[in-house]
Amino acid sequence: GDSVTQMEGPVTLSEEAFLTINCTYTATGYPSLFWYVQYPGEGLQLLLKATKADDKGSNKGFEATYRKETTSFHLEKGSVQVSDSAVYFCALSPAGAGGTSYGKLTFGQGTILTVHP
Amino acid sequence: EAGVTQFPSHSVIEKGQTVTLRCDPISGHDNLYWYRRVMGKEIKFLLHFVKESKQDESGMPNNRFLAERTGGTYSTLKVQPAELEDSGVYFCASSHQEGGEETQYFGPGTRLLVL
Repeated sequence: GDSVTQMEGPVTLSEEAFLTINCTYTATGYPSLFWYVQYPGEGLQLLLKATKADDKGSNKGFEATYRKETTSFHLEKGSVQVSDSAVYFCALSPAGAGGTSYGKLTFGQGTILTVHP
Repeated sequence: EAGVTQFPSHSVIEKGQTVTLRCDPISGHDNLYWYRRVMGKEIKFLLHFVKESKQDESGMPNNRFLAERTGGTYSTLKVQPAELEDSGVYFCASSHQEGGEETQYFGPGTRLLVL
């Protein structure tokens, strides 16, 4: 079945440091890939997504590129802020017929990021 | 536009009791999903409604869990009787499939603690 593996945390960085959170997946076909973020005391929010190979999703200075050859979707940010402290989840939705993507999400275990001033 | 809402935000019950969680999806979203995150592990799928029908309930852990979506609007998830291992955060998500793509929007979750 489908699976998502994220780098283990927690990750602790100083403000303005470079961030990488690794995510690899196992799935058939071309699933859609997502990064969700959960800020303290809040629910899950969609951060960015990519629906086909070589697509780059980006939002709020974060970006991730859909790499079919390495089955990866690593999250990066060039300069983190204290306000980026949160739990980050990589997820995929299964590929369907005709290039569609629909249905239950499979999540990684989540990576806790703490950014210090 | 209002987001996905869930009620209650927290629930503390004793083993053997019954708890009912509610989810109100974004208006017009036909798809409604339930997920659960237990003890800091990954978020796991429970089931998927399309309107009032169960499209996929392969993630439901056992028959102590009952989900309904009468009228295709809000959904409830009942746990009866609750066990210690049911503790966790229950998330609801809704979506509207468009052009072969789907983005799920999540609610804030219900934190359930079974003592």
